[in-house]
Amino acid sequence: NAGVTQTPKFQVLKTGQSMTLQCAQDMNHNSMYWYRQDPGMGLRLIYYSASEGTTDKGEVPNGYNVSRLNKREFSLRLESAAPSQTSVYFCASSDLSLDRGILETQYFGPGTRLLVL
Amino acid sequence: KQEVTQIPAALSVPEGENLVLNCSFTDSAIYNLQWFRQDPGKGLTSLLLIQSSQREQTSGRLNASLDKSSGRSTLYIAASQPGDSATYLCAVPSGNTPLVFGKGTRLSVIA
Repeated sequence: NAGVTQTPKFQVLKTGQSMTLQCAQDMNHNSMYWYRQDPGMGLRLIYYSASEGTTDKGEVPNGYNVSRLNKREFSLRLESAAPSQTSVYFCASSDLSLDRGILETQYFGPGTRLLVL
Repeated sequence: KQEVTQIPAALSVPEGENLVLNCSFTDSAIYNLQWFRQDPGKGLTSLLLIQSSQREQTSGRLNASLDKSSGRSTLYIAASQPGDSATYLCAVPSGNTPLVFGKGTRLSVIA
């Protein structure tokens, strides 16, 4: 099992450009998440998908959109990149079910390092 | 809003020493707490998950405790090794937010 995979690993964008970060998991998890990690700010949740077909905003959703393409894949899109979006982006998955209120272990991908000039 | 604080922010110890990392959270109405490890330039790896009904959880040289009423958790590492050097993060659920993370404790174990 590959676990959680993310592409690309590195990306440099110019202000105003758009891009999509891809995430896939092969653990048959219901829930998937996108985080960003910044020095001094820690990990912050951008969006999550508790189950296929649903998405919800996290702590810092502005400037991002997400798509839960199917149970395996959850993509994050920056429509018009800004320097403030320079960060390391992590995707994660788990068997979390908000309905049941049960949190299972979250498994993280290796991250995408994004630099916006 | 849930806030998670980890103290100390950084810690350096000689190899073989036992150590304790601290995590506190403001909203004690949690149903579990997770400890993660992050190596430089890497993603996070889950170490331990403690359900609210448990007081502690053990894995090898790691022991995590949870005191919901006081809003605290500790991660105890026994007989530390240089390979334990990493950043350790704790995380708790908050309302409909799956996880809120602390900023981590950066541990260096010196051989």
